[in-house]
Amino acid sequence: AQKVTQAQTEISVVEKEDVTLDCVYETRDTTYYLFWYKQPPSGELVFLIRRNSFDEQNEISGRYSWNFQKSTSSFNFTITASQVVDSAVYFCALASGGSYIPTFGRGTSLIVHP
Amino acid sequence: DAGVTQSPTHLIKTRGQQVTLRCSPKSGHDTVSWYQQALGQGPQFIFQYYEEEERQRGNFPDRFSGHQFPNYSSELNVNALLLGDSALYLCASSLAGLYEQYFGPGTRLTVT
Repeated sequence: AQKVTQAQTEISVVEKEDVTLDCVYETRDTTYYLFWYKQPPSGELVFLIRRNSFDEQNEISGRYSWNFQKSTSSFNFTITASQVVDSAVYFCALASGGSYIPTFGRGTSLIVHP
Repeated sequence: DAGVTQSPTHLIKTRGQQVTLRCSPKSGHDTVSWYQQALGQGPQFIFQYYEEEERQRGNFPDRFSGHQFPNYSSELNVNALLLGDSALYLCASSLAGLYEQYFGPGTRLTVT
C-alpha cells in the first residue's frame, strides 16, 4: 500500500515570505515516482514536477525548489519570495508498484496575502 | 494545442438520478483517467481507459462506469446518485506508459 501525508492543512503567509510545504510518503517499492501539483481556484490541477526514487538531486525552477530525502521519506516543496498568484492548493502524489496512477495527499492550502 | 476539456462545468442532480460527464483529452493523448475530488480532499482515482477498455479501476462501486470512444474522448457515468457523490470530477489525459497526466478543469457535481 502507498500513502502520502501532507500534515499542513493550510498555510498563510505575507507576500515575499518563503514557505515550505511538507510531504511524507510511504511505499514498500524501491521504484516510485513523486509529484507535486498546483490547484488554483479554477480547479484544474497543474503539474509542477516529477521525481523518481533513484534521483535524490534537489531541483530548482525559478522561485520553486524541491528537496527529496529518501532517508526521511520526504519530498518537500519550497516557494521563495511568495507571490499572491501562488495562492492555491498544492498536492503531493506518489506512484509506485509499476502503476502509473498516483495516490494524492489531502493537499495544503497556501494563502499569500499582499 | 487544446488541453483537456470537460463538460459540463457544473451540474445539479437529484438523489437517485443518473449523470454523464464528458472529457476530451489533450491532442495526441490516448489514455484517459477519471478522479473524484471531494471538498477538502485530494483526488481519488476512479478508473482509467486505454484503447477503449477499462485498464485500471480504483475502489469505486459499479455505479460508476465509463466509456472511451475511438477518438479517445471519454464519458463517466454514475447511476443511482447519492448525496455523497457530490464532488469535483476531474479528467486527466496522458500517453500510455508515461507518468505525466494533464488535468482538465473538472465538472462540479452537486447531488441534492
